[in-house]
Amino acid sequence: SYVLTQSPSVSVAPGQTARFTCGGNNIGSKSVHWYQQKPGQAPVLVLYDDRDRPSGIPERFSGSNSGNTATLIISRVEAGDEADYYCQVWDSTSDHYVFGTGTKVTVL
Amino acid sequence: EVQLVESGGGLVQPGRSLRLSCAASGFSFDDYGIHWVRQAPGKGLEWVSGISWNGGIIGYADAVKGRFTISRDSAKNSLYLQMNSLRREDTALYYCAKDIRVRTVDDDPLDYWGQGTLVTVAS
Repeated sequence: SYVLTQSPSVSVAPGQTARFTCGGNNIGSKSVHWYQQKPGQAPVLVLYDDRDRPSGIPERFSGSNSGNTATLIISRVEAGDEADYYCQVWDSTSDHYVFGTGTKVTVL
Repeated sequence: EVQLVESGGGLVQPGRSLRLSCAASGFSFDDYGIHWVRQAPGKGLEWVSGISWNGGIIGYADAVKGRFTISRDSAKNSLYLQMNSLRREDTALYYCAKDIRVRTVDDDPLDYWGQGTLVTVAS
């Protein structure tokens, strides 16, 4: 089955840029979606189809996807961005939705 | 306002059954695929099952295939998950979530999520 690998944790200072990755075999050929989950809350879609933002998501959230790595970028990080972030793709081989292992983002 | 409200969770013994429900409102239920995603305590997200907008395409994670059955009822704007032969590893918070795009059959992100219903499998 298709596997998505994320770094367990990332720390970033307020106002700086956070970048974290989602690795998968030839993930660049797939559409990658990203979810933010704060403690005790349901996940929120923050980016879809590699780089599109749902309404209400600030422009500080952007993304890219190429080769074996997709990246979520949060510019001008704020305290409210502290959360777990999950990447997700559709695996056409198994007809399954696949989530990454998640990255915990800590704002220093 | 889009709302998804899960119910039916609880404490159940291994090997027993449970039926989860998800009541949808605020959107045209018949036009969207909808899914169950679970999260074990302290763990990440795991897709469980999904059903297309017209019920014609259904998928299950390998971990639940043959034990869980997903269904939808247009008259009640509701999604269901019948869970049989429950195992301790099925213990999790179960979310329902809808596709973002109208009438797609796969590869669609999930734009609205409920708050989840907790299933605990223990003796």
